[in-house]
Amino acid sequence: AQKVTQAQTEISVVEKEDVTLDCVYETRDTTYYLFWYKQPPSGELVFLIRRNSFDEQNEISGRYSWNFQKSTSSFNFTITASQVVDSAVYFCALSEANSWGKLQFGAGTQVVVTP
Amino acid sequence: AAGVIQSPRHLIKEKRETATLKCYPIPRHDTVYWYQQGPGQDPQFLISFYEKMQSDKGSIPDRFSAQQFSDYHSELNMSSLELGDSALYFCASSLGENTGELFFGEGSRLTVL
Repeated sequence: AQKVTQAQTEISVVEKEDVTLDCVYETRDTTYYLFWYKQPPSGELVFLIRRNSFDEQNEISGRYSWNFQKSTSSFNFTITASQVVDSAVYFCALSEANSWGKLQFGAGTQVVVTP
Repeated sequence: AAGVIQSPRHLIKEKRETATLKCYPIPRHDTVYWYQQGPGQDPQFLISFYEKMQSDKGSIPDRFSAQQFSDYHSELNMSSLELGDSALYFCASSLGENTGELFFGEGSRLTVL
């Protein structure tokens, strides 16, 4: 069975600090996708990234970067120089082959950025 | 670009009433997914449809039913509502069943009193 663990319930930082969100997953499949979504207070789910299990390259997009390590089953997310607008709940999710749309979400990490 | 449209955005119902949520996928998208997110919880997969046929099922209560119509829009029907059904219901769509690229709507917030 698939499982996604986000051990950090809430992280509070001051603006301009970096923040790293941990995500550890379990799956028996060799083919899977990993995702990160942002959910601001307004409630919508904002897609941030999708990574397939065969692509272990790390990725950087502006102030966001992701570190995918298959050896430790982790897909961590770092926000560099955080801003107040980054305050949100961030979800890591996993989907497996032949059920790509059936995402298993982690419990989410609340990020609070204060000025 | 057109996104996934959900209606209504907010809905208030009494216990034991019935509610219907609608989802209009991105044009040309043939696959629709429904998720339920309770307060302080992560989204939970309910059900999905591909080309008007149910393709996968999650933890959807028997009181709930859903279908996808010929124009690919989908409706989630919830009967005998309970307080615990109060949640944010998300619809997502994709082009094809196994692309792994989901586009979520803004959600419909159901409150059961």
